[in-house]
Amino acid sequence: QLQLQESGPGLVKPSETLSLTCTVSGGSISSSSYYWGWIRQPPGKGLEWIGSIYYSGSTYYNPSLKSRVTISVDTSKNQFSLKLSSVTAADTAVYYCARHRSDYDILTGYYYYYYMDVWGKGTTVTVSS
Amino acid sequence: QSALTQPASVSGSPGQSITISCTGTSSDVGSYNLVSWYQQHPGKAPKLMIYEVSKRPSGVSNRFSGSKSGNTASLTISGLQAEDEADYYCCSYAGSSTWVVFGGGTKLTVL
Repeated sequence: QLQLQESGPGLVKPSETLSLTCTVSGGSISSSSYYWGWIRQPPGKGLEWIGSIYYSGSTYYNPSLKSRVTISVDTSKNQFSLKLSSVTAADTAVYYCARHRSDYDILTGYYYYYYMDVWGKGTTVTVSS
Repeated sequence: QSALTQPASVSGSPGQSITISCTGTSSDVGSYNLVSWYQQHPGKAPKLMIYEVSKRPSGVSNRFSGSKSGNTASLTISGLQAEDEADYYCCSYAGSSTWVVFGGGTKLTVL
């Protein structure tokens, strides 16, 4: 059974970089047809997609966060990671990692996003000095 | 402000049916049959309930159904049960530049 587990510091200072890792167990991160991504949820608010990565390194990012986000993958460790720079209190949230079913469109050369079928339990990150 | 618009709250009595709407644009919901719905109980991770507008993952009750008309997708829950009380989020593919957009979420209260 595929499982995802987020890990990383629970407290980050303003202006610093938030770093989280998602470890995939029970399956390979190198599976075709799946992207692996990050979603966050500020306290009392809704879900916000941050970005996603394919095992080859291909990425898609939320345009509103793109300038501050880097997502990377380590297939040897079956992990992918999130870095969010210059954080503020507005970045305080529960951060989830999830598997995204995706498909490649030969005509456009882009991947389509279908749905997120496996989620981690989430990790709380607070931005405070 | 979320890209997809959902009502903040809906309610219904046990046994009744409710419908949650999710309004997007011709750039997301209206252009692709790639709408999904997620259920989230307090303190828990979201759970996939509907994908590709109307398909149910294995293990999800057939009381949950999805549909789409134009730029608006809908989630219908029939035979409401107390355990259905949760937040529900719609999500859609939004093209190669934006990729994924969520709705703001709807809180379902079972009276």
